[in-house]
Amino acid sequence: KAGVTQTPRYLIKTRGQQVTLSCSPISGHRSVSWYQQTPGQGLQFLFEYFSETQRNKGNFPGRFSGRQFSNSRSEMNVSTLELGDSALYLCASSLARYRNPNYEQYFGPGTRLTVT
Amino acid sequence: AQSVTQLDSQVPVFEEAPVELRCNYSSSVSVYLFWYVQYPNQGLQLLLKYLSGSTLVKGINGFEAEFNKSQTSFHLRKPSVHISDTAEYFCAVTTAGTGGSYIPTFGRGTSLIVHP
Repeated sequence: KAGVTQTPRYLIKTRGQQVTLSCSPISGHRSVSWYQQTPGQGLQFLFEYFSETQRNKGNFPGRFSGRQFSNSRSEMNVSTLELGDSALYLCASSLARYRNPNYEQYFGPGTRLTVT
Repeated sequence: AQSVTQLDSQVPVFEEAPVELRCNYSSSVSVYLFWYVQYPNQGLQLLLKYLSGSTLVKGINGFEAEFNKSQTSFHLRKPSVHISDTAEYFCAVTTAGTGGSYIPTFGRGTSLIVHP
């Protein structure tokens, strides 16, 4: 079974631009979560989607948004990029984690975003 | 609100020695606890989890952890480490939020460095 894939793996953007990251979950998984990982703040939960609906949201500004498609693939968008948005963005998929923590999350390798 | 404290940012140890990575949490409600490992340039992988039942939890790669409710701790242990255990380890706690959903909070991570 193929794992979680994230594209692109590396991205360099300029302050003020916007960016879209993509995540393809494991086949059959309907829940996709996004996390931001930085040396200063560690791993922080961004949001979680299940069946095309956002189920949970972390404490991030409205510049961070996401969506999920009918095939469970998910995208996250960051508008008006700031230097502090430089981070590793991780996507994780599960059967239905938001309803039951027993469902294991499987993480992708991440997208490394650098904002200059 | 829940929080997780990983008491050591870095733990150096010699190969075949035992190791303990410490994790304390704070929450006013029932918790679910997890340990993840992250190897360089990869996403997170679940090592073990505590949801209920026996307080001693065994995971993959010879790791185990003990849930101590009175101490609000969930320390990770391995009796004999290998060079290949060199990685970043994250403790995470999840509690039931509004609407029955579960949002995870991660610790800042502990870098385990195994020397030959």
